[in-house]
Amino acid sequence: AQTVTQSQPEMSVQEAETVTLSCTYDTSESDYYLFWYKQPPSRQMILVIRQEAYKQQNATENRFSVNFQKAAKSFSLKISDSQLGDAAMYFCAYRSGGAGNQFYFGTGTSLTVIP
Amino acid sequence: DVKVTQSSRYLVKRTGEKVFLECVQDMDHENMFWYRQDPGLGLRLIYFSYDVKMKEKGDIPEGYSVSREKKERFSLILESASTNQTSMYLCASSLPLGLAGGNEQFFGPGTRLTVL
Repeated sequence: AQTVTQSQPEMSVQEAETVTLSCTYDTSESDYYLFWYKQPPSRQMILVIRQEAYKQQNATENRFSVNFQKAAKSFSLKISDSQLGDAAMYFCAYRSGGAGNQFYFGTGTSLTVIP
Repeated sequence: DVKVTQSSRYLVKRTGEKVFLECVQDMDHENMFWYRQDPGLGLRLIYFSYDVKMKEKGDIPEGYSVSREKKERFSLILESASTNQTSMYLCASSLPLGLAGGNEQFFGPGTRLTVL
């Protein structure tokens, strides 16, 4: 099974500053998808951003962007101009592009935004 | 918008009780999943289903069973609840790979189960 590692259990950032959350994964596949999900306190998990492994260009969604390093098997999330509403648990996830429907999640990073 | 709903946000049960957690999605998704979320452990897959009446074990199926009689509904069953099953349970759904948008999961709000 693929493994997804988030080595930062907790992170904090000053409002309006930039923060980067780390994620590494282990796979022998060449075709796969990577995701960052956000889970605000007591609220539903939602997708923040996705990256297809075959795309070299890093995905961007407004203030959220990723640094996808395929050879290094690294997929970090950068949050620019951090806002109080960004405070949440963030999960990195992997999905195979081949057989199987399973997703693999990291253990999460709890982000605190300091006013 | 895809909507995934779960029957309860909070549930308190006694040891040995049979517990049913229900999940319904309204976007005709083939795939449905049940996860357990615990602090420091992330999301762990209990079971998933890729079609009606089809199911596959995930990483931690022991003590759980599932039922999928209709495409939109996926139930998680704790046959005899134990205290170590106290946790947050998340349901999710997705399209199969290859279909447009078929590469992300949509989550329900979660059920926080406490077993006393």
